[in-house]
Amino acid sequence: QVQLQESGPGLVEPSETLSLTCTVSGGSVNRYYWSWIRQAPGKGLEWLGFIYHTGSTNYNPSVESRVTLSIDTSKNQFSLRMTSVTVADTAIYYCARHDGYDPFDPWGQGTLVTVSS
Amino acid sequence: NFLLTQPHSVSESPGKTVTIPCTRSSGSIASNYVLWYQQRPGSSPTTVIYDDNQRPSGVPDRFSGSIDTSSNSAYLIVSGLRTEDEADYYCQSYDSNHWIFGGGTKVTVL
Repeated sequence: QVQLQESGPGLVEPSETLSLTCTVSGGSVNRYYWSWIRQAPGKGLEWLGFIYHTGSTNYNPSVESRVTLSIDTSKNQFSLRMTSVTVADTAIYYCARHDGYDPFDPWGQGTLVTVSS
Repeated sequence: NFLLTQPHSVSESPGKTVTIPCTRSSGSIASNYVLWYQQRPGSSPTTVIYDDNQRPSGVPDRFSGSIDTSSNSAYLIVSGLRTEDEADYYCQSYDSNHWIFGGGTKVTVL
């Protein structure tokens, strides 16, 4: 079955850029929508944005000015880039697949990113 | 966009029923489907209800969902509570290609 795996640095300094990649196995990124969701420690889920396999994107207005999603069909991966991070961006970052308005399924296991100097 | 509001926590004894509300701040709850996720500690969320009241295969029929336009709320009902149901539950909906999560409800099985 399809599996997603997030990867990237676990520590980012304030004001720097956070970059994460989600690798898809057991399926292709050449279909479906691919989202990023984060969860600050002890807090709830926050949807950050999605990218469609065609490359079209949609972002949460709360982060839209700082976030860029991209997709690499040759590597079966999609990526998140968030600029000018602060301690408030410390969270577990999840990637997930969905088909339009269907449930997010599956999710990756999540990766903790800490913003600290 | 609208907000989805959930109580921070609910608790109940094993075998009993809990009902978790998810109230939409503006626009009709019936305008867009509501989904519910269960998140156990240290795990990624999994779907327990989609399209307001549909259960994915493998989810016990102790889990059910409904919406009420009079309260502009969606509800997750968990009957016959088991200790394994102790988790955080999140409602989710969408608007204009933006996804919105509720703040989450911690369910404690006493």
